[in-house]
Amino acid sequence: AQTVTQSQPEMSVQEAETVTLSCTYDTSESDYYLFWYKQPPSRQMILVIRQEAYKQQNATENRFSVNFQKAAKSFSLKISDSQLGDAAMYFCAYRGYQAGTALIFGKGTTLSVSS
Amino acid sequence: DTAVSQTPKYLVTQMGNDKSIKCEQNLGHDTMYWYKQDSKKFLKIMFSYNNKELIINETVPNRFSPKSPDKAHLNLHINSLELGDSAVYFCASSPSAPRGETQYFGPGTRLLVL
Repeated sequence: AQTVTQSQPEMSVQEAETVTLSCTYDTSESDYYLFWYKQPPSRQMILVIRQEAYKQQNATENRFSVNFQKAAKSFSLKISDSQLGDAAMYFCAYRGYQAGTALIFGKGTTLSVSS
Repeated sequence: DTAVSQTPKYLVTQMGNDKSIKCEQNLGHDTMYWYKQDSKKFLKIMFSYNNKELIINETVPNRFSPKSPDKAHLNLHINSLELGDSAVYFCASSPSAPRGETQYFGPGTRLLVL
């Protein structure tokens, strides 16, 4: 069975600085998807970024980028130029390649941003 | 123009009661899901439906019964509510084609059983 591990329960960063959230996963599949979701206090689950395992290029969305290391089964999220609005819980998630497969989540990392 | 909506957003009820949570998506997606987020914020899949057919049924008590009247709706009915059912329940949807990788979540329903 696939598992997702987020080893940092809490992280903190100052405004305008850069922070990296770690995620590792375990799977025997060769094709799959990885995601980072953000959950602010409003509890809405917001997709931050996604990565297809068959793509070697790391995904980027504005200030958010990932470092995808397939052989190491590592998928970290880098947030550049951190803003107060980035404060939230961040979940790393894995999904198998078949459509309709459920997301498997890590336990989350709470990110606080100070001014 | 809400993509995935859930009603109600909050639900406070007594132990032993029966309650339902409704979910609707207007994205034209074929697959819908129910996830449970417990008090420690851990998210876990409960059920998923594809075109009204149950495709994932994780180990949840029989008191939980999903129903999909059409592919835009997935409801969750809970019988004989227990204290441990208190959680946030999220509905999500995804397209099944081409590869249906991204799931879009509703706002969640916070259920409190007293």
